[in-house]
Amino acid sequence: DSGVTQTPKHLITATGQRVTLRCSPRSGDLSVYWYQQSLDQGLQFLIQYYNGEERAKGNILERFSAQQFPDLHSELNLSSLELGDSALYFCASSVGGPTVDYTFGSGTRLTVV
Amino acid sequence: QKEVEQDPGPLSVPEGAIVSLNCTYSNSAFQYFMWYRQYSRKGPELLMYTYSSGNKEDGRFTAQVDKSSKYISLFIRDSQPSDSATYLCAMRENNAGNMLTFGGGTRLMVKP
Repeated sequence: DSGVTQTPKHLITATGQRVTLRCSPRSGDLSVYWYQQSLDQGLQFLIQYYNGEERAKGNILERFSAQQFPDLHSELNLSSLELGDSALYFCASSVGGPTVDYTFGSGTRLTVV
Repeated sequence: QKEVEQDPGPLSVPEGAIVSLNCTYSNSAFQYFMWYRQYSRKGPELLMYTYSSGNKEDGRFTAQVDKSSKYISLFIRDSQPSDSATYLCAMRENNAGNMLTFGGGTRLMVKP
């Protein structure tokens, strides 16, 4: 167990629907990162939050949004889902500040049918 | 063209072999170079990182960075079946927050 908890582990939903993925960071970590892993694109950075504030944004679609709550857990909201959104979504956490010490969760596998 | 290129494999070797995994990149601003190991149905875990150019050794693993050629390598000595996994290189600029740019990963299979 890495200390980063992601729920649910698997999610199957229909096109056009909206889902929420949840991440609890490792104890003591203030930063949360969301990554999408697909077969053709590899691991792609989506967005970072630090202590509740958005810190950096990657190639995140407008249909996707995220937030980090006061208890530091984070949620990634995916709406108007398309078949191409099927992927593994990983959350990682770190203490914050310049670091290479990320801890990844086990991911949520999203299947859009 | 992707910023970080990595041969997807799969790479199949016998137990005990020396394994060489490589990545090339195009962004000269990358300063931190990392190798992650990812087992099936798990998240990536950090193996090693190197800052700027040079070599770093940790047990059976050696990471090399050649910034002049924009080329990084991970060597695994005395490979074991438990090393079978996907290996991802990742890179970060010095002042770009903590955003990592990953290679696509190389799948390694070590056969007993």
